[in-house]
Amino acid sequence: AQSVAQPEDQVNVAEGNPLTVKCTYSVSGNPYLFWYVQYPNRGLQFLLKYITGDNLVKGSYGFEAEFNKSQTSFHLKKPSALVSDSALYFCAVREEFMKTSYDKVIFGPGTSLSVIP
Amino acid sequence: GAGVSQSPSNKVTEKGKDVELRCDPISGHTALYWYRQRLGQGLEFLIYFQGNSAPDKSGLPSDRFSAERTGESVSTLTIQRTQQEDSAVYLCASSLDDLYEQYFGPGTRLTVT
Repeated sequence: AQSVAQPEDQVNVAEGNPLTVKCTYSVSGNPYLFWYVQYPNRGLQFLLKYITGDNLVKGSYGFEAEFNKSQTSFHLKKPSALVSDSALYFCAVREEFMKTSYDKVIFGPGTSLSVIP
Repeated sequence: GAGVSQSPSNKVTEKGKDVELRCDPISGHTALYWYRQRLGQGLEFLIYFQGNSAPDKSGLPSDRFSAERTGESVSTLTIQRTQQEDSAVYLCASSLDDLYEQYFGPGTRLTVT
């Protein structure tokens, strides 16, 4: 069975510093990996995804994520945090090949990012 | 183009009443998901429709919850005999199919008094 974990409920970072939001996953085959962001009082938005190819994926708002197969991780990163990056971040995973009709994307529990001015 | 829309945006209902929440997915998206999100919490999967396959209802919390989808278009989530613990934001999302990213609607905020 597939699963996804976000080991940190809360991440605090000073404005201008690099940020990392962690995600680890478990699938039996190859993963499709996604990051979504939920800004306060706004809907969920897609940030970026890894399907295949280059392990470093670039997405919206200057975010990027690195797929690490050996560590089964897909951490979200940004070189210089902005106060406006403060939001709830969700990692999601799906198996490449659907084995049953009930296979679907699984979301992690979310990490709250606070960027301090 | 038009995104995922949900209606109503807000619903206040009395305990014990039935409510219907509507989701209009992006045209051409075969996959449709319903989630529940309590304040400050993560996404709780409710139900998933993929094309003409039988829906995955494994996340529905009780038999008071049901959902339908008309072909590959509009979906309705129905909650019967609402309880206070049903109060939450109900999110709908659609995707081209489940290999692709999901596009979320703005949600319906349900308050049961």
